Amino acid sequence: DTEVTQTPKHLVMGMTNKKSLKCEQHMGHRAMYWYKQKAKKPPELMFVYSYEKLSINESVPSRFSPECPNSSLLNLHLHALQPEDSALYLCASSQSQQGDSTDTQYFGPGTRLTVL
Amino acid sequence: AQSVTQLGSHVSVSEGALVLLRCNYSSSVPPYLFWYVQYPNQGLQLLLKYTTGATLVKGINGFEAEFKKSETSFHLTKPSAHMSDAAEYFCAVSAKGGADGLTFGKGTHLIIQP
Repeated sequence: DTEVTQTPKHLVMGMTNKKSLKCEQHMGHRAMYWYKQKAKKPPELMFVYSYEKLSINESVPSRFSPECPNSSLLNLHLHALQPEDSALYLCASSQSQQGDSTDTQYFGPGTRLTVL
Repeated sequence: AQSVTQLGSHVSVSEGALVLLRCNYSSSVPPYLFWYVQYPNQGLQLLLKYTTGATLVKGINGFEAEFKKSETSFHLTKPSAHMSDAAEYFCAVSAKGGADGLTFGKGTHLIIQP
């Protein structure tokens, strides 16, 4: 099974709301990623978790807060977002044997976020 | 730093014709290269990847790509286009395989004419 699931599929929130995006995989992968994809644009890396530790933060604003409670779950907590944060948020996972250069990232279907 | 450039934001071919999507890379280290496909309102699906070894890589759905170091290219081809191939295609590069995330090109929208 090479499935990464993401919930919810769609989310509409106001600028003062707090919400969370959830990502789950049961492939035994030890690296998980968040990407942001604006309309008609390529995905852009936001965060990388490796063995449940944050290893890469691509200078993402603090209104986005990632969390990796265990090796199967990845959350993205959202607070005080701006309308320009509206996008498709994609989660991915990979096996990530340390130093393995043949990793393949498997992507979930994404959460389409609209900030009003 | 690594980057990829996809030539042509839109490519249109007739059903049954050859598909050629172009990708050139820039990397200070041996690159790891990937092609992903994205159908409307869906996530990304890996078509194929180049790590080391054989420079001609075969992927799913009849696609293949050839790594040419002398031309810094990794173009994607398919001998005969099918209507179901209409989608957005992204070339991506990584310096460390999966560990450092992927850097994507801007994408090429493939249109299949009946």
